[in-house]
Amino acid sequence: AQSVTQLGSHVSVSEGALVLLRCNYSSSVPPYLFWYVQYPNQGLQLLLKYTSAATLVKGINGFEAEFKKSETSFHLTKPSAHMSDAAEYFCAVSDRNAGNMLTFGGGTRLMVKP
Amino acid sequence: DAEITQSPRHKITETGRQVTLACHQTWNHNNMFWYRQDLGHGLRLIHYSYGVQDTNKGEVSDGYSVSRSNTEDLPLTLESAASSQTSVYFCASSESTSGGPDTQYFGPGTRLTVL
Repeated sequence: AQSVTQLGSHVSVSEGALVLLRCNYSSSVPPYLFWYVQYPNQGLQLLLKYTSAATLVKGINGFEAEFKKSETSFHLTKPSAHMSDAAEYFCAVSDRNAGNMLTFGGGTRLMVKP
Repeated sequence: DAEITQSPRHKITETGRQVTLACHQTWNHNNMFWYRQDLGHGLRLIHYSYGVQDTNKGEVSDGYSVSRSNTEDLPLTLESAASSQTSVYFCASSESTSGGPDTQYFGPGTRLTVL
């Protein structure tokens, strides 16, 4: 069975500071990995996804994530936080043998201080 | 533009009542999913469908049912609503592609309160 752990349910950064949201996964086969963002009162929007083509994945809004197989991690980063980045972020894993089903982490709420 | 919609956006009901949440997508996607979102649990899969007449149980399917009579719609029914089913419900859809991964597109959600 696959699972996802997001360390830190709440992360607070100052505007302009580095954003680092942590995601670790467990999967019996090489996974597909995703980061979604949820703004208040909205559905989830795809930020980026790992397909095994490249370990460093660039997404929308300046976010990127690096797949590290040895650490079973897929941490999300952004060099400089903006107030508009305040949202909830979800890491998700899809087992290549499990069709299109996603298993989500518990989410990390990012707060950006002025 | 293609989209995925959910209705109602907010619903208050009483324990024991039957409730149906609608999900409609105009992408012509084969795959459709229902999730519930609760604090600390992220999103958990309730039911999913890979095409017309196909339905499958997810991680938290007890007390819920779905039916797929056409490509566009996957309604979620709570047969006898319970307070534990108070949650935010999200519908999603994706296109079936070989080689994956398929991106799931989410609706805006339905906030359900069971009193």
